[in-house]
Amino acid sequence: AQSVTQPDIHITVSEGASLELRCNYSYGATPYLFWYVQSPGQGLQLLLKYFSGDTLVQGIKGFEAEFKRSQSSFNLRKPSVHWSDAAEYFCASGSNFGNEKLTFGTGTRLTIIP
Amino acid sequence: EPEVTQTPSHQVTQMGQEVILRCVPISNHLYFYWYRQILGQKVEFLVSFYNNEISEKSEIFDDQFSVERPDGSNFTLKIRSTKLEDSAMYFCASKRLGQGSYEQYFGPGTRLTVT
Repeated sequence: AQSVTQPDIHITVSEGASLELRCNYSYGATPYLFWYVQSPGQGLQLLLKYFSGDTLVQGIKGFEAEFKRSQSSFNLRKPSVHWSDAAEYFCASGSNFGNEKLTFGTGTRLTIIP
Repeated sequence: EPEVTQTPSHQVTQMGQEVILRCVPISNHLYFYWYRQILGQKVEFLVSFYNNEISEKSEIFDDQFSVERPDGSNFTLKIRSTKLEDSAMYFCASKRLGQGSYEQYFGPGTRLTVT
């Protein structure tokens, strides 16, 4: 069974500083990996996704993530955070087999300080 | 851009009552899903639906839950007799069929409060 681990429950970053949110997955084959963002009281917005090919993927809002098979990781990065980036971030994995469900990590809450 | 919509945005119900949560998936999508998120916890899979039948369901999706696609546009989740622990945000998602159809599109969610 697939599993996704987000080791950091809560991260605080100064506005303008760089950000890296960690995600590790467990899956026999190459998974399909996603990062979603959830603002308070809101739904899930897809930031970026990885299926195959270039291991560095670009997403919306200036985010990027790098797939590293050797480390079973898919960490999310942003070079300079903005106050509006404060939210909950979820890493998720899936597959291409029919209607395979998504398996989510427990999330990382990002706080931005001025 | 097409979106998944869900109604109501917030539902309050008493324990033991039946609730129906409604979703309108994106029109050309053929895979449908329900997930839930208990406050402060991660998003959990409930059920997937394809070709008018359940494809997969989790342990959470017991006999109190059912799903239906009553017409060509709606996808519903029914909880027959709600319990306090059913209080959560419920997300509907849909996915299209075909090459490159990897991404699930999520609705804004329905917050269910059971009192």
